[in-house]
Amino acid sequence: GAGVSQTPSNKVTEKGKYVELRCDPISGHTALYWYRQSLGQGPEFLIYFQGTGAADDSGLPNDRFFAVRPEGSVSTLKIQRTERGDSAVYLCASSPRTSGIDGEQFFGPGTRLTVL
Amino acid sequence: QKEVEQNSGPLSVPEGAIASLNCTYSDRGSQSFFWYRQYSGKSPELIMSIYSNGDKEDGRFTAQLNKASQYVSLLIRDSQPSDSATYLCAVFTSGTYKYIFGTGTRLKVLA
Repeated sequence: GAGVSQTPSNKVTEKGKYVELRCDPISGHTALYWYRQSLGQGPEFLIYFQGTGAADDSGLPNDRFFAVRPEGSVSTLKIQRTERGDSAVYLCASSPRTSGIDGEQFFGPGTRLTVL
Repeated sequence: QKEVEQNSGPLSVPEGAIASLNCTYSDRGSQSFFWYRQYSGKSPELIMSIYSNGDKEDGRFTAQLNKASQYVSLLIRDSQPSDSATYLCAVFTSGTYKYIFGTGTRLKVLA
């Protein structure tokens, strides 16, 4: 089966613009995570969905960041009024369950966001 | 103190040697532990998961977990140049449903 997909693979935008990043998880995976990864760092947690609801959005850096998953499958990360500091690779991962045991998560290829 | 700590490296080992990568974590409630390999410019790829104390072997990889010491390690036997990558340790805590990642250890296998 297909893995996690993310679009676009690269996004270049200007400071102040709005961007949307899309994630299509593995079919049947109920848990979906968004991360941000900067050079030389590990993935930094942003938000976690269980089904359609955002179960934990404590990692979103500020109110310019928002994410949705309206039908419990595809998710969109939205960034308003982008800043140069938002430049990073945005990773999406999905997992079949959140029980911890067997809660392996699988990453998409990421979206490299560059804010000029 | 960071929640998940790894030595950033680089760790250089000759081809054919054993590479030992280490990770410590701070949350005693953590219950699941994962090792990911990340090649430059690529996304993390899951290579090992471990849930109980002891060793878990999969091919050339062995994960070791010691919950009392809050320590998890990854051994790579017969290291190959293709193993050169950054290895990320991730810890899952069921109370938060979060995976917390270390900064990764860069491994270089010298031919």
